[in-house]
Amino acid sequence: AQSVTQLGSHVSVSEGALVLLRCNYSSSVPPYLFWYVQYPNQGLQLLLKYTSAATLVKGINGFEAEFKKSETSFHLTKPSAHMSDAAEYFCAVSGWGNYGGSQGNLIFGKGTKLSVKP
Amino acid sequence: EAGVAQSPRYKIIEKRQSVAFWCNPISGHATLYWYQQILGQGPKLLIQFQNNGVVDDSQLPKDRFSAERLKGVDSTLKIQPAKLEDSAVYLCASRRTGRYNEQFFGPGTRLTVL
Repeated sequence: AQSVTQLGSHVSVSEGALVLLRCNYSSSVPPYLFWYVQYPNQGLQLLLKYTSAATLVKGINGFEAEFKKSETSFHLTKPSAHMSDAAEYFCAVSGWGNYGGSQGNLIFGKGTKLSVKP
Repeated sequence: EAGVAQSPRYKIIEKRQSVAFWCNPISGHATLYWYQQILGQGPKLLIQFQNNGVVDDSQLPKDRFSAERLKGVDSTLKIQPAKLEDSAVYLCASRRTGRYNEQFFGPGTRLTVL
C-alpha cells in the first residue's frame, strides 16, 4: 500500500525567504513521486517529478525536491519565495511495481497551503 | 496543445437530485482519470479508463456514481442521487501512455449539494 504525509497544512513565509514543504511517503514498491501546485479555482499543475533517475529534481518556477530513500522523504524547496508562489501544494506517489489496475495512479497527500507575506 | 476541458465549472443541486459532469481529455491521451477533491483534502481517485475500458473503479461508490467513456475520448461522470457529502471538486485528468508520462488536470467542476 502507498501513502503520502504532508507535514503542515499551512506554511507562511516572507517574500524572499526559503520555502520548505515537507513530504514523506510510504510505498512497498519503488516509488515515483510528484509535486503539484493548485491555484484557487484551478486544476493541478505539475511542478516536478522523480522517476528513479537523479535524486535531486529541478522543476518549474525555481522549485526543486530531493528524493531521500533512507528518510522516505521528498521535500520541496525554493530558495526565495515570491508572492506568486502562494497556492496549495500537493505531494503524490505512484507505484509502478503493480502493473495491474493501479498503473500510473496517484495517491495524494492532504496538501499544504503556502502563504507569502510581503 | 489544448488542455483538459471540463464542464460545467460550477453546479449547485439539492440532495437526491442527479448531476453529470463532462470531460474532454488532451488529444491522443489514452488514459483518463476522475478524481474527487473534498475541501481540505488531496484528490482521491474515483475511476481510471484506458481508452474506453475501465482499469480501476475500486473507489467509485457504485450505488450512486457511474462513469463512461464510450468512444475512448470524452467521458461523463454521473451522480444519482446526490448526497450532501458529495459536495466537492471533481477533477478530470488525462495521460499519454508510457511509464514516465505525467497526468494533466482540467480546471475541475465544483459541486455543491444543498
